[in-house]
Amino acid sequence: KAGVTQTPRYLIKTRGQQVTLSCSPISGHRSVSWYQQTPGQGLQFLFEYFSETQRNKGNFPGRFSGRQFSNSRSEMNVSTLELGDSALYLCASSSSTLTDTQYFGPGTRLTVL
Amino acid sequence: SQKIEQNSEALNIQEGKTATLTCNYTNYSPAYLQWYRQDPGRGPVFLLLIRENEKEKRKERLKVTFDTTLKQSLFHITASQPADSATYLCAPSNYGGSQGNLIFGKGTKLSVKP
Repeated sequence: KAGVTQTPRYLIKTRGQQVTLSCSPISGHRSVSWYQQTPGQGLQFLFEYFSETQRNKGNFPGRFSGRQFSNSRSEMNVSTLELGDSALYLCASSSSTLTDTQYFGPGTRLTVL
Repeated sequence: SQKIEQNSEALNIQEGKTATLTCNYTNYSPAYLQWYRQDPGRGPVFLLLIRENEKEKRKERLKVTFDTTLKQSLFHITASQPADSATYLCAPSNYGGSQGNLIFGKGTKLSVKP
């Protein structure tokens, strides 16, 4: 099976712009989670989608949003970018609602100038 | 609130030695614990899952223990190699409860010198 894919891999934006990141989960996985990773904060949970519904949400401002399509592909959007949004954004998919083993994509490195 | 501590930010060892990484957790009782490996600029990769009733689990050169009394998991890499150099993350959790929100420790960066 193909792994989790994320596009784009690298992105440079300026403050105030918005950005959309895309994630394709492993075939058959219905749960897709998004994480932000920065050197100081480690991995922080953004939100999780299951069957097109947001089931869980982390402690991030409303500028961060997401959605999931009927084929389980997911997008996350960040509006009005701030310098502090520079980070590695990771998408992970999971097949099991029992043990939540996460299979991560390679990430999107976002740099905000 | 739940807290996860991994023994040190960095661990340097010589090739061929055994690396031992520690994961301590407080304020909750996980039913299982997962270990992931992360290389720079890449997503974490799942390595092992150990359940609370398993005490020890092995996979090739990897061994994980889980002590629910001490609230601690130990992750061992025997006969370490420079290719084992990476950051290792632990994630204690409960069945069906996280809904994608795995809480990770900040990780231990392992460097294996030839």
